[in-house]
Amino acid sequence: EDQVTQSPEALRLQEGESSSLNCSYTVSGLRGLFWYRQDPGKGPEFLFTLYSAGEEKEKERLKATLTKKESFLHITAPKPEDSATYLCAVHSYQGGSEKLVFGKGTKLTVNP
Amino acid sequence: NAGVTQTPKFQVLKTGQSMTLQCAQDMNHNSMYWYRQDPGMGLRLIYYSASEGTTDKGEVPNGYNVSRLNKREFSLRLESAAPSQTSVYFCASSVTQGNQPQHFGDGTRLSIL
Repeated sequence: EDQVTQSPEALRLQEGESSSLNCSYTVSGLRGLFWYRQDPGKGPEFLFTLYSAGEEKEKERLKATLTKKESFLHITAPKPEDSATYLCAVHSYQGGSEKLVFGKGTKLTVNP
Repeated sequence: NAGVTQTPKFQVLKTGQSMTLQCAQDMNHNSMYWYRQDPGMGLRLIYYSASEGTTDKGEVPNGYNVSRLNKREFSLRLESAAPSQTSVYFCASSVTQGNQPQHFGDGTRLSIL
C-alpha cells in the first residue's frame, strides 16, 4: 500500500532558526512528489514538484530536495509569515491507475 | 485570478438532508477533483474527472455523487447527509490527470447535525 509519512507533526522555530521538514514515502512507480503550503481556513497552495532523485527546487527561503525514499523541505532563516501547515503528496502510477497520496502535514510555527 | 472557486464556504445540514457543493475553475484545466480533509488525516480523494464527460471513484466515494457539468464546473452531491460526512471539502483542478500539480479552492466547511 502506498504511504506518505511526514515528520515532525509540529515544529516551532524562532525567527531566523533554519530547519528541515521530512516526507518519507513508499509507493510503486513514483511519478512525482509535490509540496504544498496550507494556511488556516484556506486550501493547499502549490509550492514545488520534484520528479526524480537528486532534483532540487528553490523558492525564497524554501528549498525542496528528493531522494529515492524521502524528500526534505529546508527552511532557511524563516520568518513568522512562513508559519503554516506544509503538505507532501506523492503521485504514483501502478497497474493503469494513477493516484495522489497526501501526508498528514507538518504544522510549522515561527515565533518572532 | 480567481483560480478555483467553491460555494458555499460554510454549511450546516441535518442528518438526511441533501446538498450540492459547487466548484468552478477558470484555468482551462481538463482534470478536476473532490477531496475531504479531516483532523489527523491526509486529504482523501472522493471522486475525480480526468476530462470533461468522465468521472471516476476515488478512495472514499460512498455517500457521494458527482457531475462534470462542463469543462469549468464539477459538483459534489450528498444525497442523504450523515454525521460522518462532517468535514472540509476541497475541489482541485490540474492541466491533465497525472503528475501535474493540482490547484485547490479554499474549501467548503460542512457540518452534519
